[in-house]
Amino acid sequence: DGGITQSPKYLFRKEGQNVTLSCEQNLNHDAMYWYRQDPGQGLRLIYYSQIVNDFQKGDIAEGYSVSREKKESFPLTVTSAQKNPTAFYLCASSIGVWDRIIDEQFFGPGTRLTVL
Amino acid sequence: AQTVTQSQPEMSVQEAETVTLSCTYDTSESNYYLFWYKQPPSRQMILVIRQEAYKQQNATENRFSVNFQKAAKSFSLKISDSQLGDTAMYFCAFLPNTGNQFYFGTGTSLTVIP
Repeated sequence: DGGITQSPKYLFRKEGQNVTLSCEQNLNHDAMYWYRQDPGQGLRLIYYSQIVNDFQKGDIAEGYSVSREKKESFPLTVTSAQKNPTAFYLCASSIGVWDRIIDEQFFGPGTRLTVL
Repeated sequence: AQTVTQSQPEMSVQEAETVTLSCTYDTSESNYYLFWYKQPPSRQMILVIRQEAYKQQNATENRFSVNFQKAAKSFSLKISDSQLGDTAMYFCAFLPNTGNQFYFGTGTSLTVIP
């Protein structure tokens, strides 16, 4: 089955530690996204990538970093510079601008990060 | 810049009744796409319905339909015959035809009351 996987589902880290959240897709999608979700604030875009080896900052990129070395993978690193990292993180993918006929975002199940 | 506004943070509806969720957006784009996503308590985001701005006909998917008013920049979601499984957060989203960034509203929490 095609889809998006995120691991782990729950993640605990001590303050000051960097942590990397995994996101993998087997949908052959060009575009991938990371969102942060906090209560009452909806989805806020952290980073997105339209193609391998390319990515753009979203609205709240400070304290986060990403890489896109493979089409299938878009890991997100939450660094110690992120002041309030405890949140629910969603990864998504879409075909990209190349085929608007059936474009939509597909989402992974999310990772709940708690910084102690 | 594109913005999406959902002015109803919470709503409730009796089972089997009809409810309408509001969404407005602001854009200078002439062609774009609009979506409604559902996020149940499991937090898995699911696409409910999509609408292409160049299509005048309102999209429908079973009990879900939209009222798309392009001039007013309004995109409301109507849920008919509400079911307990419809209890969820609902997000309105916008995608310009010229890019890959999706813009989301802050969501409406819908509770279906038995």
